[in-house]
Amino acid sequence: QVQLVESGGGVVQPGGSLRLTCTPSGFTFSRYGMHWVRQAPGKGLEWVAAIWFDGRDEYYSDSVKGRFTISRDNSKNTLYLQMNSLRAEDTAVYYCARDSGYSSSSGAEFDCWGQGTLVSVSS
Amino acid sequence: DIQLTQSPSLLSASVGDRVTITCRASQGISSYLAWYQQKPGKAPKLLIYTASTLQSGLPSRFSGSGSGTEFTLTISSLQPEDFATYYCQQVNSFPFTFGPGTKVDIK
Repeated sequence: QVQLVESGGGVVQPGGSLRLTCTPSGFTFSRYGMHWVRQAPGKGLEWVAAIWFDGRDEYYSDSVKGRFTISRDNSKNTLYLQMNSLRAEDTAVYYCARDSGYSSSSGAEFDCWGQGTLVSVSS
Repeated sequence: DIQLTQSPSLLSASVGDRVTITCRASQGISSYLAWYQQKPGKAPKLLIYTASTLQSGLPSRFSGSGSGTEFTLTISSLQPEDFATYYCQQVNSFPFTFGPGTKVDIK
């Protein structure tokens, strides 16, 4: 059974840092690109970052570029999102999602999502 | 960046109704469009990819069409479990973007 489990969320002060972790199971992690998507309370979905299956390429939304870093350790079967210089507007549920590869090998729709982890940035 | 708009933002319907949601892209994205369903407190679920391909295991009452800049998601006969929020997403180019969502609720 394909599954993704996020962890690492919590309450952090503005300007602080947090590292999220996504642990996959039920599939060969090293063969898939991965993404982070967030959803602020009561709002829509916002794509945050992507990383290629081998970690060679990364992409970021303008809203997090320079502050967040996506990475992966295929030997440990783990995806990360390092979040620095956090702001109130970063408050959201953060989902990791698997790139399906259906429509393109250069980034595609997301066929598996975790349950999300809540990040709250507040003083 | 490619912007997506959805209409309507809220759709009130009854069980058995045929419902259609429209997604428009600010520039051509060929068929690189996906649709997701999200229920409260849950992660989104992929319904349709490449504009019209139904994700495996999903009921055929869901269908998608379109290409270029205009796309539609149709539910041919709304079921109780279909009351949810629906999002379109373009995967033509980074940054990937989502539409603002369409909430389908009970009339």
